[in-house]
Amino acid sequence: QQQVKQSPQSLIVQKGGIPIINCAYENTAFDYFPWYQQFPGKGPALLIAIRPDVSEKKEGRFTISFNKSAKQFSLHIMDSQPGDSATYFCAASSDDMRFGAGTRLTVKP
Amino acid sequence: GAVVSQHPSRVICKSGTSVKIECRSLDFQATTMFWYRQFPKQSLMLMATSNEGSKATYEQGVEKDKFLINHASLTLSTLTVTSAHPEDSSFYICSAREIKPYGYTFGSGTRLTVV
Repeated sequence: QQQVKQSPQSLIVQKGGIPIINCAYENTAFDYFPWYQQFPGKGPALLIAIRPDVSEKKEGRFTISFNKSAKQFSLHIMDSQPGDSATYFCAASSDDMRFGAGTRLTVKP
Repeated sequence: GAVVSQHPSRVICKSGTSVKIECRSLDFQATTMFWYRQFPKQSLMLMATSNEGSKATYEQGVEKDKFLINHASLTLSTLTVTSAHPEDSSFYICSAREIKPYGYTFGSGTRLTVV
């Protein structure tokens, strides 16, 4: 069922660093690519999303880079903070939404 | 923004009993809702897609007679875990899809523990 491949599984950066999380997909019917942040015991919260007609989207400290031909997209978090420590999921949707395996990010002070 | 309310947030039940989880879209109509299950330190796995007024579509490997889904109105979908067993203990999350603007809104999840 995991139609979206996400890496790395875990990531540790220092405060101010720029963690990068990568995802790849195969299904060309996907037309919406969101990133979610999840804290323990909570539901996922939408961070930023992109459609395949755009190669990059920036919202605050979060940037999605999208490569349609390679069927890959990535999340960059600028000036990361300890409060950004969470699990991040990429996802892709057409008729429904499929999630990547998740990346556990730790930002050290 | 769009809000999806999911209740209860936590429930403990005895093995063999049934548990109902509600998912409501508070300020929009959701013709389609989704139910996910998430085991500890794992991803969200889609269980089923429910469309208002019709039968839910279940993913392969999900028992439809065990996980009963009802989507009787444009703002409410329910998931009933029947004859619960300890292996059903998990975090269940619903999601509702908006048409305009296009997007998915997730509930806050339900932690089910079967003892």
